[in-house]
Order: sequence, then C-alpha cells, then structure tokens
Amino acid sequence: AQSVTQPDIHITVSEGASLELRCNYSYGATPYLFWYVQSPGQGLQLLLKYFSGDTLVQGIKGFEAEFKRSQSSFNLRKPSVHWSDAAEYFCAVGATGNEKLTFGTGTRLTIIP
Amino acid sequence: DTGVSQDPRHKITKRGQNVTFRCDPISEHNRLYWYRQTLGQGPEFLTYFQNEAQLEKSRLLSDRFSAERPKGSFSTLEIQRTEQGDSAMYLCASSFSSGNTIYFGEGSWLTVV
Repeated sequence: AQSVTQPDIHITVSEGASLELRCNYSYGATPYLFWYVQSPGQGLQLLLKYFSGDTLVQGIKGFEAEFKRSQSSFNLRKPSVHWSDAAEYFCAVGATGNEKLTFGTGTRLTIIP
Repeated sequence: DTGVSQDPRHKITKRGQNVTFRCDPISEHNRLYWYRQTLGQGPEFLTYFQNEAQLEKSRLLSDRFSAERPKGSFSTLEIQRTEQGDSAMYLCASSFSSGNTIYFGEGSWLTVV
C-alpha cells in the first residue's frame, strides 16, 4: 500500500527566506506525486505534480519540487516566501493516476515578518 | 469560471440524523471523487465515479454512507444515522480523465452534536 510521510508538522519561516517542505513516500512502482496547498477552511489547490520525465517540476506561485527516487522523496521548495504563502501544505501520492490519492498529514507553514 | 461546487458548506446535525451533501463538478469532467478530512489530518479517499459508475469505494465508506452520481453530472453523498465520529470536512473533486489535474471544491463541513 502507498503512504506519505511529512515529517514536519509546523514550520515557521521569515518573509523573504527560502523554504523547503519535506515529503517521503512509499510505493512499489513509479509514483504519481502531488503537492497541494490549503488555506484555513478552504479546499485544496494543486501547486504542482510529477508523473514522469524531468525530476524537477515547476508549479504555480513560484514553487518547485524535486523527485528523488533513491531517497523516495518529493520535497517542495520556494526561494523566497511571501506572507500569502502561510497555509497548510499536503503531499500526495497516486498509484495508477489520480483515482486514489494518499495524502500526508500536512505541514503548516507560518510566515513571520 | 465555475469550479467544483459543494452544498451546503456547513451543516450541524444531531446524532442519528441523516445528512446529504451535493457536489457539482466542473462541467464535462467525467471523474468525480469524494474525500474526508478531519482536523489535523490530510484528506482520505472515500470513493470515485467515472461518469455514473462508482468504480471504487474505500473501507472508510461504511454501510451508513452512500454516494451516487445518477446522470454522470452532480453527485450526492448521504450519511445515515450520523455519529460524532462523522464530524469532518467532506471534499469533492473532479477531473477530466485519469492523469489530469484533480480540482477540489471548498468542502462541506459536518458537525454532529
């Protein structure tokens, strides 16, 4: 069965600083990987996805993620965070596509001035 | 731009009552998904439809839960004899086909008192 681990429950970053959110997955074959962002009380917005090909994936809002098969990781990065990036971030893995995504428990990002 | 629409956004019900949530997917999306999210957790897959066919159901979907998509357009999720453990946000999502982006709605919050 597939699984996702987001080891950081809460991260605080200063505005303008760089950001890296960790995601480790477990899946026997080549996974489909996603990062979603959720503002309080809201639904999920897709930031980026990896299906195959280039292991460095660019997403919206200046985010990127790198797939590292050897480390079973798909970490999310942003070179300079903005106050509006404060939210909950979820990593997800899919098996044969989008049918059944398995999400991590999320990382809450706080931005300080 | 009409995204995935869910109704009602919030529902408070007494234990033992039945509740129904409605989801209107993005027009022409043939796949529709239901997820459940409890506080502090990531979304958990419940079920998904391709057109009107329900293709997969999670073990989380007990016999008190039923989902339908009668004409391959909108979907309903009914919970019978609600329990306090059913309190959660119920997220609907849709996509055009496997491998494409899943778009989530804003969610329907259920509080069982």
